[in-house]
Amino acid sequence: DQQVKQNSPSLSVQEGRISILNCDYTNSMFDYFLWYKKYPAEGPTFLISISSIKDKNEDGRFTVFLNKSAKHLSLHIVPSQPGDSAVYFCAARDFNKFYFGSGTKLNVKP
Amino acid sequence: GAVVSQHPSWVICKSGTSVKIECRSLDFQATTMFWYRQFPKQSLMLMATSNEGSKATYEQGVEKDKFLINHASLTLSTLTVTSAHPEDSSFYICSALSSNQPQHFGDGTRLSIL
Repeated sequence: DQQVKQNSPSLSVQEGRISILNCDYTNSMFDYFLWYKKYPAEGPTFLISISSIKDKNEDGRFTVFLNKSAKHLSLHIVPSQPGDSAVYFCAARDFNKFYFGSGTKLNVKP
Repeated sequence: GAVVSQHPSWVICKSGTSVKIECRSLDFQATTMFWYRQFPKQSLMLMATSNEGSKATYEQGVEKDKFLINHASLTLSTLTVTSAHPEDSSFYICSALSSNQPQHFGDGTRLSIL
């Protein structure tokens, strides 16, 4: 049973517009959430994170929102750039164990 | 930033061969290292968690005798796939964790068993 789910396998966005990637989870014990970006043939790269005591964290073009009551996490990228095209994984931590979603492939069109 | 080196990046070998994959944290000491396996279009599935100097903790359904993990130092963990068979073909990724840092991933190893 997957505790972290990314229900959209792919997303296509025009350059300059906002990309919104979504993630849902079931475990209320998760205390830390992360987003990773992955290019083909490379390992995931850490992008941004948020503690469960916060509802928003912003870093440049990337903002992560956490809605604990809905058990929902989202990553906003604005403005989107072609170089953002990659697979994005959300992850959640329960104690020292991390659970990953299945990823969303983002394609930013020039 | 933190760098995790994983080697080799790609292995092709015959059925029955044992394959060792190394994972090194290059500029930090990793208190914990994780080994994941990824099937096409699926999530990273945690196989095992290893702490330096102690036995690895395997996830349910992962064969300990099949996937040997050694965490000899704070910068090196190895995964050995013993007597590999075609069904073991997959993408294996390690990650390393130090206190107060998000885990950092290696670039993965694509294992193909003929």
